[in-house]
Amino acid sequence: RKEVEQDPGPFNVPEGATVAFNCTYSNSASQSFFWYRQDCRKEPKLLMSVYSSGNEDGRFTAQLNRASQYISLLIRDSKLSDSATYLCVVNKSSASKIIFGSGTRLSIRP
Amino acid sequence: SAVISQKPSRDICQRGTSLTIQCQVDSQVTMMFWYRQQPGQSLTLIATANQGSEATYESGFVIDKFPISRPNLTFSTLTVSNMSPEDSSIYLCSARDLYGYTFGSGTRLTVV
Repeated sequence: RKEVEQDPGPFNVPEGATVAFNCTYSNSASQSFFWYRQDCRKEPKLLMSVYSSGNEDGRFTAQLNRASQYISLLIRDSKLSDSATYLCVVNKSSASKIIFGSGTRLSIRP
Repeated sequence: SAVISQKPSRDICQRGTSLTIQCQVDSQVTMMFWYRQQPGQSLTLIATANQGSEATYESGFVIDKFPISRPNLTFSTLTVSNMSPEDSSIYLCSARDLYGYTFGSGTRLTVV
């Protein structure tokens, strides 16, 4: 089983739609969770950290379910500029290094 | 958050040669890492660059193939040695600071 698993997509949704991604992780000792965004031919950039209580940043909402070991990202009122690959990232146990999921490709159509 | 300058941004190399990639961070960071990203794939951790000591390599990566230096808290290099076409990939460095993990812009390596 992969340490971090995501649905690879692609998700192809119309502008204005709401889209949700899920991610599962295998190590119950993992402590830090993030969503990164990667545009084509660019480096990954932090979208948001994921906190136990859930957190929201504008149109983006991230949630963590420790009991089920999954993380979610919800994008509301999607924009064309949201088209990218979204990477679920989990720290490996108590170490500082992070492990990336395979990424979910999102394409927003006009 | 930290800003990382990575170079070269791309290179085309002959098989059997070596390439050294450099990353300079604009602030002192405790942790630096090196990743590889194959086309259409996610990032795979190569190693953690430890300041003042040998790097810690992940399974499948060895020091002889990917020697790493970290002479201080703001700089690290990764060398891809004795390259073959299978080494063609994007290599990225990363640094951890108080705000999270930041990445260099990547080095796109093609081995011919």
